[in-house]
Amino acid sequence: AQTVTQSQPEMSVQEAETVTLSCTYDTSESDYYLFWYKQPPSRQMILVIRQEAYKQQNATENRFSVNFQKAAKSFSLKISDSQLGDAAMYFCAYRSACDSSGSRLTFGEGTQLTVNP
Amino acid sequence: DADVTQTPRNRITKTGKRIMLECSQTKGHDRMYWYRQDPGLGLQLIYYSFDVKDINKGEISDGYSVSRQAQAKFSLSLESAIPNQTALYFCATSWFPRDTQYFGPGTRLTVL
Repeated sequence: AQTVTQSQPEMSVQEAETVTLSCTYDTSESDYYLFWYKQPPSRQMILVIRQEAYKQQNATENRFSVNFQKAAKSFSLKISDSQLGDAAMYFCAYRSACDSSGSRLTFGEGTQLTVNP
Repeated sequence: DADVTQTPRNRITKTGKRIMLECSQTKGHDRMYWYRQDPGLGLQLIYYSFDVKDINKGEISDGYSVSRQAQAKFSLSLESAIPNQTALYFCATSWFPRDTQYFGPGTRLTVL
């Protein structure tokens, strides 16, 4: 079974600075997808960024980028120019590309990000 | 209008009561999911459905049942609620072959 680990329960960053959230995962599969979701106090789960394992290039969405290290099974999220609205719980998630798994997402425990003004 | 809606948004009930949580989507997706989130934890899959006639158990299905009334509607039932089912419940949708799941706003359920 796949597992996802986020080793930083809490992180903080000053507004306008850069922060990196860590995520590692364990799988025996070679084809899969990785995601970062954001959960603000409104509790809505919002997709931040998505990475396909077979793509070498790291995904980027505006101020959000990932460092995907497939051999190390590492998938970190970098937030540049942090804004107050970035404050939230961030979840890393894994999905097998094999459809027999039910397309389920396996989540990490989350990292609570605080942005200080 | 939101693409994935959940009703109710908040619910307080008593032990032993039957309760239904509803999810509707206007995204036209074929796949729907129910997840549970406990405080300080990530989400765990309860049930998932690939289409109206295809429903499958997830990691933590005991004590829950589901119904896929139409492609756009997926309901989760607690036949006899117990306090440790107090949690935040999320519905999500996706479509084959795309893999990205889109979540509803969540239902906060408290069982006294």
